[in-house]
Amino acid sequence: KNEVEQSPQNLTAQEGEFITINCSYSVGISALHWLQQHPGGGIVSLFMLSSGKKKHGRLIATINIQEKHSSLHITASHPRDSAVYICAVLSYNTDKLIFGTGTRLQVFP
Amino acid sequence: DSGVTQTPKHLITATGQRVTLRCSPRSGDLSVYWYQQSLDQGLQFLIQYYNGEERAKGNILERFSAQQFPDLHSELNLSSLELGDSALYFCASSFGTVQNTIYFGEGSWLTVV
Repeated sequence: KNEVEQSPQNLTAQEGEFITINCSYSVGISALHWLQQHPGGGIVSLFMLSSGKKKHGRLIATINIQEKHSSLHITASHPRDSAVYICAVLSYNTDKLIFGTGTRLQVFP
Repeated sequence: DSGVTQTPKHLITATGQRVTLRCSPRSGDLSVYWYQQSLDQGLQFLIQYYNGEERAKGNILERFSAQQFPDLHSELNLSSLELGDSALYFCASSFGTVQNTIYFGEGSWLTVV
């Protein structure tokens, strides 16, 4: 079993829909990152969380440390949100990043 | 623009060959991290250097090696290349030894034929 699991693996949506991507992890963590990877390959950090909730524009990320779970929400989705979203946790014991396998999102107009 | 620079962006080479990937970290960052992203395995941590010294090792093959130079740029050397080494190789950097803030380069696409 992977230490970081994401769901769903693939997601399609119509423009304007509310989207949720989930991440569960089994290790102790210092922080959790949500990353966005566009088709060209580049990776951008969206959020770093250690507790609670963060919001940036139409993106909201939450984390529940007790339940070892995080969610990334996209409100009013747009075709330019189409990308792979990757959850990565910073292991408390090893100080190394462990990555989920990513969620491929396609938003259609 | 993350400030992390990787070269080359694309590379095609034959099996058995050796290649070198280069990374310049963000100004002021002392740590450099190398990651491999293949289609079937996702992102995997390879190795970290901090201020010229190897800091942590992940799933790096013995055919691969890295170093960080006094000017803090880093090189990842891949030798005796196999078809399965075809992947996107990312470099990232941070100021300290712990990757609290992630800045990735654009990646180097390696295709082994």
